Amino acid sequence: DQQVKQNSPSLSVQEGRISILNCDYTNSMFDYFLWYKKYPAEGPTFLISISSIKDKNEDGRFTVFLNKSAKHLSLHIVPSQPGDSAVYFCAASGMNRDDKIIFGKGTRLHILP
Amino acid sequence: EPEVTQTPSHQVTQMGQEVILRCVPISNHLYFYWYRQILGQKVEFLVSFYNNEISEKSEIFDDQFSVERPDGSNFTLKIRSTKLEDSAMYFCASNLGLAGAISTDTQYFGPGTRLTVL
Repeated sequence: DQQVKQNSPSLSVQEGRISILNCDYTNSMFDYFLWYKKYPAEGPTFLISISSIKDKNEDGRFTVFLNKSAKHLSLHIVPSQPGDSAVYFCAASGMNRDDKIIFGKGTRLHILP
Repeated sequence: EPEVTQTPSHQVTQMGQEVILRCVPISNHLYFYWYRQILGQKVEFLVSFYNNEISEKSEIFDDQFSVERPDGSNFTLKIRSTKLEDSAMYFCASNLGLAGAISTDTQYFGPGTRLTVL
């Protein structure tokens, strides 16, 4: 049961270029979408989020785009930096305070020098 | 910056033994969670906890699992009789639960406890 799908297990991007990570979801009841970043031996770290009433949210080098009709979201990182190399998890939840987060399987991003 | 902490970082146990994984959520947070990640798989929800009771639990969270907030700071996950398939990274998370501020009230995760069942 994959409610949140990240179809690319890995992605390599040249330093300074744009990294685009994609995510699809199946449950139209999701109200809130998040991206988490994870380094080895650490827990997921919240990166950026977007509510279902928006189509774009920007925070510095990170922008998340949401296409509700396509049930698709993407994370853009520009410019990509070496420290961005990590696993990125797309995630979704409802809008209640204690809603669980449903994670995708993650995409490993490699930033090449 | 406040953070969620977890102990131990790595726990090795024999099959059938009981383990207790400990978490200290961020101090003013009200909602607590356990997730796990089996090696190579996605992070999966186990249980959520609020006001000293379970709010929601997944199918994984069977009778072998229990959670407790024994005092004002700790949040524990107990596995009564561990199985080989319980080997995973276990992550604790917490969030504040602000009224009317859901969109900024994300869950913060601890560094995880790696549980190895032999």
